[in-house]
Amino acid sequence: VKLVESGGGQVKPGESLRLSCAASGFTFSTYDMSWVRQAPGKGLEWVSSISSGSHYIYYAGSVRGRFTISRDNANNVLHLQMNSLRADDTAVYYCARAGGDYPDFRSWGQGALVTVSS
Amino acid sequence: QSVLTQPPSASGTPGQRVTISCTGSSSNIASNYVYWYQQVPGTAPRLLILRNDERLSGVPDRFSGSKSGTSASLAISGLRSEDEAIYYCATRDDNLSDLVVFGGGTKLTVL
Repeated sequence: VKLVESGGGQVKPGESLRLSCAASGFTFSTYDMSWVRQAPGKGLEWVSSISSGSHYIYYAGSVRGRFTISRDNANNVLHLQMNSLRADDTAVYYCARAGGDYPDFRSWGQGALVTVSS
Repeated sequence: QSVLTQPPSASGTPGQRVTISCTGSSSNIASNYVYWYQQVPGTAPRLLILRNDERLSGVPDRFSGSKSGTSASLAISGLRSEDEAIYYCATRDDNLSDLVVFGGGTKLTVL
């Protein structure tokens, strides 16, 4: 199982960024996927999850209405579109593969750093 | 402030047994499975314990989990230097808008 995030970077408050997570080594289309973030020096925070067929989508209250999770099962890619970014969105964003029920996150990527600063 | 409460720090000497607690409520721990993660700073989290007390394949049997009511615990016996890390509990919450909640994390130091 390999998960590789990309798309991180530094943006100004109010701007947008799109993260991607390339998956390999497993049948991507059969697993729920999630994003979990970690602000510098802080703990883990669940951000969003999407079911295998995109029928069920969940968001943390802190990002609902600003972030959109999606997936491309044909190309084995998970996305997180982040709009109206705020300073408190600054974090390392991990994509994670579900193993069963939530919060069973069996496999994780190495993370992508998103910095929101003016 | 996390919905799940963990002590910020714990410590022990090599060979000792250490326990890390995770306290929640009737809407989260009491009615859902608890999971435990280990994170060495600078690396991604690693799932250790699933469904309260099941060790993930490959996790040493020195690690064990338990749950009672609104609290859960992670015990590490025969403490080793490589166990020095931050440990997080996690579960679902039936009341909150958030599907998943994590504890604030416990930094374990091996003296």
